[in-house]
Amino acid sequence: TQLLEQSPQFLSIQEGENLTVYCNSSSVFSSLQWYRQEPGEGPVLLVTVVTGGEVKKLKRLTFQFGDARKDSSLHITAAQPGDTGLYLCAGVRGNTPLVFGKGTRLSVIA
Amino acid sequence: KAGVTQTPRYLIKTRGQQVTLSCSPISGHRSVSWYQQTPGQGLQFLFEYFSETQRNKGNFPGRFSGRQFSNSRSEMNVSTLELGDSALYLCASSLLPRTDNEQFFGPGTRLTVL
Repeated sequence: TQLLEQSPQFLSIQEGENLTVYCNSSSVFSSLQWYRQEPGEGPVLLVTVVTGGEVKKLKRLTFQFGDARKDSSLHITAAQPGDTGLYLCAGVRGNTPLVFGKGTRLSVIA
Repeated sequence: KAGVTQTPRYLIKTRGQQVTLSCSPISGHRSVSWYQQTPGQGLQFLFEYFSETQRNKGNFPGRFSGRQFSNSRSEMNVSTLELGDSALYLCASSLLPRTDNEQFFGPGTRLTVL
């Protein structure tokens, strides 16, 4: 059983469209991290959300942590081809190892 | 400063062989974690080392092992390779072993087992 479920698994959109990616769990996390991984590279940390209900913005990317700290979402406004990649969420619980979702593979077509 | 480096980048082995992968963390980072990434299972934690000691181990068979040297460089070894071991093996380093410390990933070693 996957501790963190990400949806959708795949997303193909046109440049300029908006999209939302979800990361859900039945477990509570002390914080949640979002990564982007491009082909041939390792994941790169985009943001960490810590407080329930927290919203963080990174240019056109908006990250939200659920009030109960069990879920998170990533919203991209006006997607660009450079946003293409695998988006991973990872949950932090105390000092146990990071738990990753399987990811959402995003393709933005020009 | 230089990022996390992993060698080799690509590796092809046959079933039953063993393999050793290497990871050099960012200078000054003392914690190294290893992950296996496959399309079916995603990123799964293998083990974590800090100051040459294994701090955590994931749910993998004993064929998977690792170690860390005094200069923080780390190696992982997989013995008696199976087809299912084909994966991207990622190494990540951080200053300290706390899970909420930012981890910096290397580009990975793509292992193919034939």
